[in-house]
Amino acid sequence: DTGVSQDPRHKITKRGQNVTFRCDPISEHNRLYWYRQTLGQGPEFLTYFQNEAQLEKSRLLSDRFSAERPKGSFSTLEIQRTEQGDSAMYLCASSLTPNTGELFFGEGSRLTVL
Amino acid sequence: AQTVTQSQPEMSVQEAETVTLSCTYDTSESNYYLFWYKQPPSRQMILVIRQEAYKQQNATENRFSVNFQKAAKSFSLKISDSQLGDTAMYFCAFMNDYKLSFGAGTTVTVRA
Repeated sequence: DTGVSQDPRHKITKRGQNVTFRCDPISEHNRLYWYRQTLGQGPEFLTYFQNEAQLEKSRLLSDRFSAERPKGSFSTLEIQRTEQGDSAMYLCASSLTPNTGELFFGEGSRLTVL
Repeated sequence: AQTVTQSQPEMSVQEAETVTLSCTYDTSESNYYLFWYKQPPSRQMILVIRQEAYKQQNATENRFSVNFQKAAKSFSLKISDSQLGDTAMYFCAFMNDYKLSFGAGTTVTVRA
């Protein structure tokens, strides 16, 4: 299967620890997005990349969050000094440009901060 | 900034019946895309249907159709002949500047 894959699918951590999520997009897609989704809510945009360039970051992305896409392929999202409010599903999506508007989503990485 | 509002948190429909989900949005842009995405329980989000704002004709994909009212900034989704596999959360989304803004979602439950 060549869909968007995310790892790990579930992560439980203690407050104050650092966590890192990985996303592997569909191979020919040059845009990659990170979203955060809390229970019963719609996804909220965090950031996106075109190739290796990070083009936009949401105000939701505090200084504790950092995202990279070093070679324009996979991406990582790191959260430092996690807080209980970081508990959420972190979704990755990819798309082609020019963009027809369809984003292809992964199954998400669920973070629980105790 | 664009906002997307879905005013129905939950909808229930009998199998084979029709259900309509509401969505309104706010934007100052004249050209944009609107979408409905489906998120089944514990599965990834997938695109259901897409509408380009400059097209007056309402989009249709098999049992799914939209009613796009640009002046009213309304974009509803109709699911006809509902099937058990349609049970999911449905999100209305607006695209501008290559990123999606989502509504809060409507949970649709199809009853056998």
